[in-house]
Amino acid sequence: AQSVTQLGSHVSVSEGALVLLRCNYSSSVPPYLFWYVQYPNQGLQLLLKYTSAATLVKGINGFEAEFKKSETSFHLTKPSAHMSDAAEYFCAVSPGRSGGYQKVTFGIGTKLQVIP
Amino acid sequence: EAGVAQSPRYKIIEKRQSVAFWCNPISGHATLYWYQQILGQGPKLLIQFQNNGVVDDSQLPKDRFSAERLKGVDSTLKIQPAKLEDSAVYLCASPNTGELFFGEGSRLTVL
Repeated sequence: AQSVTQLGSHVSVSEGALVLLRCNYSSSVPPYLFWYVQYPNQGLQLLLKYTSAATLVKGINGFEAEFKKSETSFHLTKPSAHMSDAAEYFCAVSPGRSGGYQKVTFGIGTKLQVIP
Repeated sequence: EAGVAQSPRYKIIEKRQSVAFWCNPISGHATLYWYQQILGQGPKLLIQFQNNGVVDDSQLPKDRFSAERLKGVDSTLKIQPAKLEDSAVYLCASPNTGELFFGEGSRLTVL
């Protein structure tokens, strides 16, 4: 069984401020972890993924996330928020190589608001 | 390569009517998923196809939902009869090297 918990359904930051979106996971096997972004009326787009290589993962648009096994966390960060980052962000988990890595379970999402 | 294509983008129907959504995944992708995304929630898996066979439909409400992928390429998801709680975005996705590629979705409003 696998699940993710996203802390905070809405996050507001000022333009130029640090973005921190929190995600904790639960998985019975070593997981793959993902962050997806969804802009209004669009499908989901992959920001970055962790697949058991480097624990600090860099993605598109200046985002990065760090896999911390001891904390079962995979928080998403960006040093400086831009207005174009306003969107909904989904953390997701899959079983990884041992269990069919393609079956992905999503969190409920965090809506990021960027204040000018 | 072309992305995942879905149609229609928007559909409004009355409860108890039927509706069908179409998906054409990325060329050559054997696996195809249908997800349901209710407003304010993350996508929830409805059904997984591998070529033209169903791998997992445990979350599909089979009394009203059906899906097929007859030739292992495009797929159709049908709802009959629709209920108010079926209002959602229906997303089609196909995976490659651990990443899910999504279509833009079909937004269903049931009145």
